[in-house]
Amino acid sequence: GQQVQQSPASLVLQEGENAELQCNFSSTATQLQWFYQSPGGSLVSLLSNPSGTKHTGRLTSTTVTKERRSSLHISSSQTTDSGTYLCAIDPYNQGKLIFGQGTKLSIKP
Amino acid sequence: EAAVTQSPRNKVAVTGGKVTLSCNQTNNHNNMYWYRQDTGHGLRLIHYSYGAGSTEKGDIPDGYKASRPSQENFSLILELATPSQTSVYFCASGDARGRGNQAPLFGEGTRLSVL
Repeated sequence: GQQVQQSPASLVLQEGENAELQCNFSSTATQLQWFYQSPGGSLVSLLSNPSGTKHTGRLTSTTVTKERRSSLHISSSQTTDSGTYLCAIDPYNQGKLIFGQGTKLSIKP
Repeated sequence: EAAVTQSPRNKVAVTGGKVTLSCNQTNNHNNMYWYRQDTGHGLRLIHYSYGAGSTEKGDIPDGYKASRPSQENFSLILELATPSQTSVYFCASGDARGRGNQAPLFGEGTRLSVL
């Protein structure tokens, strides 16, 4: 079946360092989303990036479609960036997302 | 403001009992979804709907039913709850398929414990 693999599973950084999160998927993704989930909280969409590079604030996502991988770069991390980052694809553009298991990011002051 | 509201937020149920999780959206979205989130599995799709009166099976539908009586409301029903259904459940709403790359909006989640 369709799979989405995220790495690393967890990441601990000092405030101010940059974070690099990876997402690999097993099929062509017509849609690729990055979500943020606060501890014990809901999911919030960060970026939609099925191909190319997109920026928003301190976030940059690069998706190489033919290599079936996407990355999320967080620059100058802050303690409020702590939480879980989830990658999800929609292989058939039907609105049905397949999620990776997430990367738990902890930013130390 | 666009919103997805789930109720209850927390629920403790007994094995064999019936549980209904409710979801309401004010986004005028056609699509609605129920996911569960478990450690080690991420979010998995249980049921979804493309509009009032329609329900479709997702990836893990066994033991669950869904009901979409209106555009705004989508319920998840556990007729005979089991401890394996202890989880956090998320409802989401989104645009109709084929309409761009907008991400669905998620509710706050319902934490269900089946004892």
